[in-house]
Amino acid sequence: QQQVKQSPQSLIVQKGGISIINCAYENTAFDYFPWYQQFPGKGPALLIAIRPDVSEKKEGRFTISFNKSAKQFSLHIMDSQPGDSATYFCAASDPGTYKYIFGTGTRLKVLA
Amino acid sequence: ETGVTQTPRHLVMGMTNKKSLKCEQHLGHNAMYWYKQSAKKPLELMFVYNFKEQTENNSVPSRFSPECPNSSHLFLHLHTLQPEDSALYLCASSQEVGTQYFGPGTRLTVL
Repeated sequence: QQQVKQSPQSLIVQKGGISIINCAYENTAFDYFPWYQQFPGKGPALLIAIRPDVSEKKEGRFTISFNKSAKQFSLHIMDSQPGDSATYFCAASDPGTYKYIFGTGTRLKVLA
Repeated sequence: ETGVTQTPRHLVMGMTNKKSLKCEQHLGHNAMYWYKQSAKKPLELMFVYNFKEQTENNSVPSRFSPECPNSSHLFLHLHTLQPEDSALYLCASSQEVGTQYFGPGTRLTVL
């Protein structure tokens, strides 16, 4: 019940295309869903985050879509660029605790 | 990166060595975390400190010993590690249970 399942494990997209990464969770008490971007040799950096009272959040080329009834959320990267090539992690916050439950990560490669 | 810094960035140690990892946060946060990141596995939370008090120990072996002298500094003391402990060790900080901000990590190799 504490797992966050992330897919796909890896993704290859052409430059200018749309990258879509999906996450699913079981615990309906989770109350905060951040996405992190990690480049090789760097720590994860917060990309965008959403709370369950909102169905969509957009920041530049990055959009989170949230489906509360399906217990799923996804990251869409529009007009994908080679500089977006990185590993992306979704997470869910266990409310009232300091715990984030992370997905296993998606390695994205955007071809020039 | 000036928010959360970690030293050293790379560490190679033998199984009988004793070493320490250091983390410092410049964000004014009150909570600090140690995570272990291994290939193809989710980030594993190891320890959480809030206002210098340990609030979480995720069944971590005693060969890993954390120390939090104040809200800005966090250490991870290592002794008699195993090769399977080789991983990227990440430090993070947050204000209360808010968004966590990560450091660049220490790449640890245990021979």
